[in-house]
Amino acid sequence: QEKVQQSPESLIVPEGAMSSLNCTFSNSASQSIWWYQQHPGKGPEALISIFSNGNKKEGRLTVYLNRASLHVSLHIRDSQPSDSAVYLCAVIGTGGYKVVFGSGTRLLVSP
Amino acid sequence: EAAVTQSPRNKVAVTGGKVTLSCNQTNNHNNMYWYRQDTGHGLRLIHYSYGAGSTEKGDIPDGYKASRPSQENFSLILELATPSQTSVYFCASGDAETLYFGSGTRLTVL
Repeated sequence: QEKVQQSPESLIVPEGAMSSLNCTFSNSASQSIWWYQQHPGKGPEALISIFSNGNKKEGRLTVYLNRASLHVSLHIRDSQPSDSAVYLCAVIGTGGYKVVFGSGTRLLVSP
Repeated sequence: EAAVTQSPRNKVAVTGGKVTLSCNQTNNHNNMYWYRQDTGHGLRLIHYSYGAGSTEKGDIPDGYKASRPSQENFSLILELATPSQTSVYFCASGDAETLYFGSGTRLTVL
């Protein structure tokens, strides 16, 4: 079964800094990789996805994917206190139905 | 806007009792999912469905059943609840790419 691991477990950065989160997955044939943001007491919300090797930018977010090394990273430029949340990496399996999540990275952006 | 509604929001059950968690989506998505979230484990997939009448086992299906009677509704059933099933449960619907989650059900089994 697909395995998704995230690091670090928690991360504290000062306001305005770059936040960098990592995710490794077990199947290079997996389809899209997604990042979700979850605030306390809420369900996760989709942030950004990537399918092809390389990078993708959306606003302050950049995602890098390397399928050969089974690694994807999320970078948040100019981090804000409102970015404080748990970030979940999710991998869509080859069948297109099954979505497997990592255990998350808890980000705290200090003012 | 995508909408997934879970009920109840909170539930206290007794060991050995039957619990049904309900989920309704108005997105007309084919795929629906049940996850549980525990500290240190993240979101773990219990059951999923790719259409009315279908249910598939996820990674941790033991002790759970699922039912998808219609496109809109997907239920999670605990026939004999145990304290180890105390958790926060999330339902989601998806269009094969993005998942849309409900607000969760906090279940406590005493």
